Amino acid sequence: SQTIHQWPATLVQPVGSPLSLECTVEGTSNPNLYWYRQAAGRGLQLLFYSVGIGQISSEVPQNLSASRPQDRQFILSSKKLLLSDSGFYLCAWRRQGRLHTIYFGEGSWLTVV
Amino acid sequence: ILNVEQSPQSLHVQEGDSTNFTCSFPSSNFYALHWYRWETAKSPEALFVMTLNGDEKKKGRISATLNTKEGYSYLYIKGSQPEDSATYLCASYSGGYQKVTFGIGTKLQVIP
Repeated sequence: SQTIHQWPATLVQPVGSPLSLECTVEGTSNPNLYWYRQAAGRGLQLLFYSVGIGQISSEVPQNLSASRPQDRQFILSSKKLLLSDSGFYLCAWRRQGRLHTIYFGEGSWLTVV
Repeated sequence: ILNVEQSPQSLHVQEGDSTNFTCSFPSSNFYALHWYRWETAKSPEALFVMTLNGDEKKKGRISATLNTKEGYSYLYIKGSQPEDSATYLCASYSGGYQKVTFGIGTKLQVIP
């Protein structure tokens, strides 16, 4: 069966510090991968998605970046965090094709102080 | 409609009441619409996958309809129970099935 792991689960980072959130998927190959963020009082905002290694599509201009160094690994990064980066980050995957649903990781709570 | 929109954003109903909410999405370049249920402190879970105009799906007391020509979907809950309390998200698939855009969600609270 397929599983998705995301870490760390929670972190508190000072403004201006770097960020790295990691996500791995097991039990499947060539998944579509996604990073979403839920800011306070808002829905799920699509940040990045990837259809293959090294292929990243960015949806929102910001100081975040994403990378996919391996088929089942997706990393969300920042060189300098802003207060507005605080929120709940969800990694997700799905098989290609319109009938396949999204499966989410456990999420990461980021508080920038 | 340029984005996925959901209404209302929040809803309080009494136990036993039936309720419904709306998802609007771009009707052009439509591929699929999915509904998800998101409970606090958990990850969202899929409820329905809908692709064809006129689709109707049902799971227990929850059902959904789809109108791709006008770009909307309704989610219905019959006889709401406290355990139905959650945020209900719809997601539109575009960009050759790859890009998945969620609405802001409808937060439902069922009062015992």
